[in-house]
Amino acid sequence: KAGVTQTPRYLIKTRGQQVTLSCSPISGHRSVSWYQQTPGQGLQFLFEYFSETQRNKGNFPGRFSGRQFSNSRSEMNVSTLELGDSALYLCASSLAEGGTSYEQYFGPGTRLTVT
Amino acid sequence: AQSVTQPDIHITVSEGASLELRCNYSYGATPYLFWYVQSPGQGLQLLLKYFSGDTLVQGIKGFEAEFKRSQSSFNLRKPSVHWSDAAEYFCAVGGATNKLIFGTGTLLAVQP
Repeated sequence: KAGVTQTPRYLIKTRGQQVTLSCSPISGHRSVSWYQQTPGQGLQFLFEYFSETQRNKGNFPGRFSGRQFSNSRSEMNVSTLELGDSALYLCASSLAEGGTSYEQYFGPGTRLTVT
Repeated sequence: AQSVTQPDIHITVSEGASLELRCNYSYGATPYLFWYVQSPGQGLQLLLKYFSGDTLVQGIKGFEAEFKRSQSSFNLRKPSVHWSDAAEYFCAVGGATNKLIFGTGTLLAVQP
């Protein structure tokens, strides 16, 4: 089976712009989670989507949003970019049918740099 | 509050030596515990998981971890480290939801 894919792998944006990141989960996985990784804050959970519905949400401002399509692919969007949004954004897919924690398989990430 | 503590930020071991990485968690319900490894510029790879049952779990690449409820710990071990094990290791806890809480990571260096 193909793994989790994320596009693009690298992105440079300017403050105030918006950005959209894409994630394709492992075939058959309906849960997609997004995490932000920074040197200062570590790995932080952004949100989880399951069957096109946001099932869990972390403590991030409303500038961070996401969605999931019927084929389970997911996108996350960050509007009005700030310098502090520079990070590695990781997508993870899992079965997690019942909603409890399940092993999550991570993609390689998208490295976002905001200048 | 739910949290994961990895007290060792950086560890250096010699190739062939044994390894133990510490992880302590705080979680109000039954914890589901995970260890992930991250190589530079890469995503996270799942090494092993504990949901229930036998408290000693085996994972990939020769790693194992032991769940000790009384100590709220889930330490990762490997009997003989290889140079290719140099990476950053993350402990994580989950449970009633699919949201994982990660520790701050332990960076492992392997000396020849």
